[in-house]
Amino acid sequence: GNSVTQMEGPVTLSEEAFLTINCTYTATGYPSLFWYVQYPGEGLQLLLKATKADDKGSNKGFEATYRKETTSFHLEKGSVQVSDSAVYFCALSDRGQNFVFGPGTRLSVLP
Amino acid sequence: KAGVTQTPRYLIKTRGQQVTLSCSPISGHRSVSWYQQTPGQGLQFLFEYFSETQRNKGNFPGRFSGRQFSNSRSEMNVSTLELGDSALYLCASSLGRLGNALHFGNGTRLTVT
Repeated sequence: GNSVTQMEGPVTLSEEAFLTINCTYTATGYPSLFWYVQYPGEGLQLLLKATKADDKGSNKGFEATYRKETTSFHLEKGSVQVSDSAVYFCALSDRGQNFVFGPGTRLSVLP
Repeated sequence: KAGVTQTPRYLIKTRGQQVTLSCSPISGHRSVSWYQQTPGQGLQFLFEYFSETQRNKGNFPGRFSGRQFSNSRSEMNVSTLELGDSALYLCASSLGRLGNALHFGNGTRLTVT
């Protein structure tokens, strides 16, 4: 079956540091890939997505590129802020709304 | 545009009772999915409804059931509650096609005592 693997953290960075959260997936066919973010006490919010190989999703300074050859969708941001502290989920979907989520990576950014 | 609304936000129930959770999707979204989130198991898919029909189902016991109404609003029911059912239950809506993102509500926090 489909699966998503990501570093679980926690990841602790200083403000303005570079962020990478690795995500790899296993899927048959050609899934769509997503990053979601969850702040305390809230549901998940869509951060970015990519629907085909070599697509780059970007939003709020975050970027991720759909790499079919390495089955990866790593999340990056050049300069993190304290307000980026949250839990980040990598996810894939195929055959409609059949979503599979990774375990989540907790990010703490210190001032 | 209003987001996904889940009610209630918090619930406390006793073992053996049953509970019904409600979800109102974003206007125009015909797909509603339900997820259970716990610290140990992460996000687990319960089921998805599209145009009042259950289209996908996760690996949960029959105590967990759901339905969708003609206005796309959805309810989830859990019968004979167990302590292990304590979790954050998240509802998500979407347009329902491949590549469409899920849009989540803020969840219902269920505590079973």
